[in-house]
Amino acid sequence: GAGVSQSPSNKVTEKGKDVELRCDPISGHTALYWYRQSLGQGLEFLIYFQGNSAPDKSGLPSDRFSAERTGGSVSTLTIQRTQQEDSAVYLCASSPTGSWIGYNEQFFGPGTRLTVL
Amino acid sequence: DQQVKQNSPSLSVQEGRISILNCDYTNSMFDYFLWYKKYPAEGPTFLISISSIKDKNEDGRFTVFLNKSAKHLSLHIVPSQPGDSAVYFCAASSKGAQKLVFGQGTRLTINP
Repeated sequence: GAGVSQSPSNKVTEKGKDVELRCDPISGHTALYWYRQSLGQGLEFLIYFQGNSAPDKSGLPSDRFSAERTGGSVSTLTIQRTQQEDSAVYLCASSPTGSWIGYNEQFFGPGTRLTVL
Repeated sequence: DQQVKQNSPSLSVQEGRISILNCDYTNSMFDYFLWYKKYPAEGPTFLISISSIKDKNEDGRFTVFLNKSAKHLSLHIVPSQPGDSAVYFCAASSKGAQKLVFGQGTRLTINP
């Protein structure tokens, strides 16, 4: 079956522009996560969606970042007025449920490499 | 505040020998630990995990050891193979929390 897919794979934008990053989770997975990996850093949690529950936005670094998940499937991460420090690889992951992470491993997509000039 | 630390950014091991990757954590609420492996241009893939009720979990060539008193875990790969060359991330979670907290990663290179 298909894994998690993300688009675009690469995005170069100018400082101050808005960008949208897309994630298609594995079909049937109810939990969806966004992470980012800045150069030389580990993966940083951004936001988590579980079914119809309110998302956990505790990792979003500023109000320029927002995310939606439509119909419990596809998710879009939007970064407004991009800054150079937003340059990173943005990774999406999904899991069958989010109730207990230990028994539901997260499956990651290949990521979107964002470069802000 | 780096709650999960991998202090070695890189490690080079000869094929056939044992690879030992280390990870330290500071949050005593963490009770589940995972290792992920990442190849270039791909997302991380799950490798092995361990619950805090155990001190060892083995899966084929991979063994994870957990020392709760030292807040330290390690991943042993034996024998190491060229296909093991990748970046390895340690991650931790606490019960009820949905997010994983990742270390910075260790780049493992297996030399023929």
